[in-house]
Amino acid sequence: EAGVVQSPRYKIIEKKQPVAFWCNPISGHNTLYWYLQNLGQGPELLIRYENEEAVDDSQLPKDRFSAERLKGVDSTLKIQPAELGDSAVYLCASSSQVNTEAFFGQGTRLTVV
Amino acid sequence: AQSVTQLDSQVPVFEEAPVELRCNYSSSVSVYLFWYVQYPNQGLQLLLKYLSGSTLVKGINGFEAEFNKSQTSFHLRKPSVHISDTAEYFCAVRSNTGGFKTIFGAGTRLFVKA
Repeated sequence: EAGVVQSPRYKIIEKKQPVAFWCNPISGHNTLYWYLQNLGQGPELLIRYENEEAVDDSQLPKDRFSAERLKGVDSTLKIQPAELGDSAVYLCASSSQVNTEAFFGQGTRLTVV
Repeated sequence: AQSVTQLDSQVPVFEEAPVELRCNYSSSVSVYLFWYVQYPNQGLQLLLKYLSGSTLVKGINGFEAEFNKSQTSFHLRKPSVHISDTAEYFCAVRSNTGGFKTIFGAGTRLFVKA
């Protein structure tokens, strides 16, 4: 069974530029999460989807961050414009139900210069 | 509201020695508890979970954890560590009602020395 796939693995951009991350969850997993992980810290939830619906986006900075999950499968997280403080690892995870454990992708390490 | 405290940011230990990584949580509702491991430049991998039932939970790679409701703790243990156990370990708590929000601790860096 393929795991959660994220791309790209690494991204370096200049500040004020846009950037997008892509996530393909485990087949059949209805719940999808985007997490932000700063250096030396645990993951923090940005947004949670149940199928196509964003059911928890309270921690998503909506002035510059957006996400979508068309057709309830793949998801894209976008930042526009990026700021220096956005440098971090962005993790995608999925679970078969909201009350079971999440399986994580390898993450995208973003560096904003 | 929930919170998770991992009491040690770094734990150095010699190979084949036992180790305990400490985790305390607070929550106003009942919770599920998890331990994840993260190797360099990798995502998080589930080590073990407590949902209900026996308070002693066994996971992969020889790790186990014990849920202590009265002390609101979920400490991770391994009787004999290997060099390959060097990684970051995260404790997480999820409410099992309402929003099912998962909160992660700040992590404990386990460094196994030869």
